[in-house]
Amino acid sequence: GDSVTQMEGPVTLSEEAFLTINCTYTATGYPSLFWYVQYPGEGLQLLLKATKADDKGSNKGFEATYRKETTSFHLEKGSVQVSDSAVYFCALFMNRDDKIIFGKGTRLHILP
Amino acid sequence: GAVVSQHPSRVICKSGTSVKIECRSLDFQATTMFWYRQFPKQSLMLMATSNEGSKATYEQGVEKDKFLINHASLTLSTLTVTSAHPEDSSFYICSAPDRRGNSPLHFGNGTRLTVT
Repeated sequence: GDSVTQMEGPVTLSEEAFLTINCTYTATGYPSLFWYVQYPGEGLQLLLKATKADDKGSNKGFEATYRKETTSFHLEKGSVQVSDSAVYFCALFMNRDDKIIFGKGTRLHILP
Repeated sequence: GAVVSQHPSRVICKSGTSVKIECRSLDFQATTMFWYRQFPKQSLMLMATSNEGSKATYEQGVEKDKFLINHASLTLSTLTVTSAHPEDSSFYICSAPDRRGNSPLHFGNGTRLTVT
């Protein structure tokens, strides 16, 4: 079945460090891919998305490129901030049933 | 602003009592809503799909009689945790599909349930 695998956390970085959170997926068909962010005590917010191969999603300095050949959607940011500390979820969405499949989430700690 | 409103944000109840959580779509109609449960430091687990005007569809392993779902209107779904026990303590999140924007699903801000 469809699934999402993302790197386990927690990930701890110093402020201004480069961030990569790996995400790979398995899907039949052509999913849309998403990164969601969850700040402490809150629900999920969409961070960025890509709907087809080679699309790049970007928002708030974060980027991810839909790589069909490697079935990946890795999240990157060139210079992280303390305010980026949160849990990040990679997800895929298939139009056929409106269901989102989430990865397990990666907790990110940024140290000042 | 928020397009899915979830209430309450936090609730503490005694073991054996029931708790109702509401999920409302604010500016769109949602014939379907999803209920998730999130354990500490874990991902979201889909519990059930709420369908307006018909019975909810539960995921494998989720007790239907324990987690009652009602979707009485196109903008409101409720999850009632019946006869709550401490092991039901968790973070519950609802979501509703919306094709209008960037995200296929809008999420409520979640409800932290603590059963004492």
